[in-house]
Formats: sequence, C-alpha cells, structure tokens
Amino acid sequence: DQQVKQNSPSLSVQEGRISILNCDYTNSMFDYFLWYKKYPAEGPTFLISISSIKDKNEDGRFTVFLNKSAKHLSLHIVPSQPGDSAVYFCAASASGAGSYQLTFGKGTKLSVIP
Amino acid sequence: DAGITQSPRHKVTETGTPVTLRCHQTENHRYMYWYRQDPGHGLRLIHYSYGVKDTDKGEVSDGYSVSRSKTEDFLLTLESATSSQTSVYFCAISDAGRRPYNEQFFGPGTRLTVL
Repeated sequence: DQQVKQNSPSLSVQEGRISILNCDYTNSMFDYFLWYKKYPAEGPTFLISISSIKDKNEDGRFTVFLNKSAKHLSLHIVPSQPGDSAVYFCAASASGAGSYQLTFGKGTKLSVIP
Repeated sequence: DAGITQSPRHKVTETGTPVTLRCHQTENHRYMYWYRQDPGHGLRLIHYSYGVKDTDKGEVSDGYSVSRSKTEDFLLTLESATSSQTSVYFCAISDAGRRPYNEQFFGPGTRLTVL
C-alpha cells in the first residue's frame, strides 16, 4: 500500500510560469514532509521541508503548502526556470519509533520549457 | 555538500555472482540507509543502520544484506545477484538527533547492471 502518492508522473511548464507539484499521503502519523530534487546521474538533494504544525513554508522561489485535513501537500515554484527541470520526490516521516525513516513517493518529472 | 561517497559508481556483473557496494561518509552521522531507485517505483528502502553493528530491514530487503563495522562505512551485499537487482543504488545519511530536521543526505549513486 503506497503511503505517499505523487499521481502525476510528469509535468511541463513554460519558463517564468508557476510549477505546482502535488503529493498525497495516507498515514495520519506522518508529521514531517520533505521535497527532494533529483537530476539525472546524481543523488537526490534536499529542497524544502514542512512540519505538520505549519501550513506553509517558503524558501526563495520554493513554497510548500500543507493541508492536513486533506492529507495533501504541494510544492510551488515561482517563477520556474529551465534549471528546475528535474525529478521531484515527496517524502514523509512520523514521530516516534522509526522517526528517522522517510517514505518516498514515486516522483514527478518536471520539464521547464524555455 | 555532505561528505558521502559510493563505490563503485558503475558495475556490470553476471547473474549468481556476489556484489558488494560501499558507502563512506565523513559527517559522523548516526543513521545510514540504502535505497534502490527504479522507474515507476521511486526510492525504496532496502536496509538501514542506526549505529555500528545495528541494522534493520527496509521495504525491499530480500536478496540483500548489510554490514556496518565502523560509523563511516555501510556495505550493501547482493549475495547472489539476479537481473531483478539491476538498479541504481543510493546511500543516504542522517543525523536524526536533530529531529524534527530529519533530512537525509544522499550519495551520488551506483548503477548496477546484472546480466
């Protein structure tokens, strides 16, 4: 059973426009969420995170929104740049036992068109 | 960048042979992880370690074993490689003592092909 779902395998956006990547989760014990970015032939790199006590976290062009009641989070990239073209993974963790583990979604491939 | 190296970076082997992948960190982080990445599956946890000689299974541990004899090294062994183990393998580390900042930092990956 997939606990973290990224239902869009791919997304294409024009340069300068907003990119919105979505993630849904089913485990109500998850209380910390992360986004990773991955370029081909490289390891994933941490991008931004959010705790369940917040509903928004912003870092430059990147903003993550969390809707706990809907068990949904989204990553907004504004404005999108060609260098943002990569695979984005959503990940989640829960407090308590196993809190050092992350559960990943399958990823969304973002293509930013110049 | 976190100091994580993986070796080898690429390997081609034959079915039935043993293979060992190495992850080395210079960050003195307590937790280390092995993941595999496959198309349509994202990142799946194979095994993880929460200290020297302390390891546990992840989601897809069958056919894999691990060892951690030093804080800085975490080895992943495929005891008898199969074609289904063709994948890209990533090592990750974290210092979960800084909860809730539970970011994991990833190595560059090892591409393994089993013929």
